[in-house]
Amino acid sequence: AQSVTQLGSHVSVSEGALVLLRCNYSSSVPPYLFWYVQYPNQGLQLLLKYTTGATLVKGINGFEAEFKKSETSFHLTKPSAHMSDAAEYFCAVYAGGTSYGKLTFGQGTILTVHP
Amino acid sequence: GAGVSQSPSNKVTEKGKDVELRCDPISGHTALYWYRQSLGQGLEFLIYFQGNSAPDKSGLPSDRFSAERTGGSVSTLTIQRTQQEDSAVYLCASSSQGTRTDTQYFGPGTRLTVL
Repeated sequence: AQSVTQLGSHVSVSEGALVLLRCNYSSSVPPYLFWYVQYPNQGLQLLLKYTTGATLVKGINGFEAEFKKSETSFHLTKPSAHMSDAAEYFCAVYAGGTSYGKLTFGQGTILTVHP
Repeated sequence: GAGVSQSPSNKVTEKGKDVELRCDPISGHTALYWYRQSLGQGLEFLIYFQGNSAPDKSGLPSDRFSAERTGGSVSTLTIQRTQQEDSAVYLCASSSQGTRTDTQYFGPGTRLTVL
């Protein structure tokens, strides 16, 4: 079965600092990987996804993630944090074993941005 | 265009009562997913619809949970004889075709509290 581990349930950065949210996956099939963001009392919004092709994926709001097969990682980064980035972030992997997009999610990382 | 909508946004019920949660997917999306988000379990898959059929119900936690979809559009998740452990945020998502690389668009969720 496919699984996702997000290292660090809480990450705190200063405004303007680098954001790094860690995600490691386990998958017995070629992984399709996703990062979603959830703002308070809202649903999940896709930031970016990796399916095939270029391993460095750029998403919305200045975020990007790099798929590293050798490290089974898909870490999310942003060069300069903004106050509006404060939210919860979820890494997800296609769950496998089906012909459709059932997702397995990590436990989430809450990002706090300090002025 | 309109996104995924869910109603009610909040539902408080007494233990043992039945509840119905509604999801309106993005128009034209054939795939619809229900997930549950709780403090202890994180984000969990419940059920997947393709059109009006549910080829994967594997995430439904017990036979008290059921769901249907009509007209290839609106879906209703029903929980019978609610228990306190059913308290969670229930999220609905839709995607255009349900393939493994499709983006799933999430609604804002229904927060269910069972007293």
